[in-house]
Amino acid sequence: QSVLTQPPSVSAAPGHQVTISCSGSGSNIGNNWVSWYQQLPGTAPKLLIFDNNKRPSGIPDRFSGSKSGTSATLGITGLQTGDEADYYCGTWDSSLSAWVFGGGTKLTVL
Amino acid sequence: QVQLQESGPGLVKSSETLSLTCTVSRVSVISTVYFWGWIRQPPGKGLEWIGTTSYSGNTYYNPSLKSRVTISLDTSKNEFSLRLSSVTAADTAVYYCARHMASAAEPPDSWGQGTMVTVSS
Repeated sequence: QSVLTQPPSVSAAPGHQVTISCSGSGSNIGNNWVSWYQQLPGTAPKLLIFDNNKRPSGIPDRFSGSKSGTSATLGITGLQTGDEADYYCGTWDSSLSAWVFGGGTKLTVL
Repeated sequence: QVQLQESGPGLVKSSETLSLTCTVSRVSVISTVYFWGWIRQPPGKGLEWIGTTSYSGNTYYNPSLKSRVTISLDTSKNEFSLRLSSVTAADTAVYYCARHMASAAEPPDSWGQGTMVTVSS
């Protein structure tokens, strides 16, 4: 059971947009920055969003992040088949003094 | 651009100790700017943070693994290592090493390619 809660799967058509939610508590999302990772099949996770809504160099602006209270959201616009991947949210949990991840969300681009 | 590469046995017997090494290239593990961590992923499952350390000596472990885990730096080889004792089948996973910027609370921003470790009975 993950500390952060994500939907197991989401799907949308190419060109459309999708959002992925991540729910936590005051000790993690509520008081710390949220990050998002993309994991393509058979590869290591790649940092997609950090500090709630910042993109590392090279990440297209089709990817966006937001946070409100103890929840965070990843948004992807202009979906491409290459976006099919598992997406994970993550943050520091101040009570546990530990990094925690969500259970992951599988994105299918139909 | 930092590069990280995991290495170690792909097969470990149940009850024994899993030992992995992460070789770091292009940046120094003794830099106080970086923290160094391990994350694992059981087959078909999600990511689980194992722990993170730094040259300054600050080390953090997943509470559920803390009694069995040791993460340490080898500054002479620019490497860091993971030791997980008393392994069981539940420890079978792909193990990734990763870098955090500035603190353990910062997200791992660079990852190794991962190495699969199977625990056999």
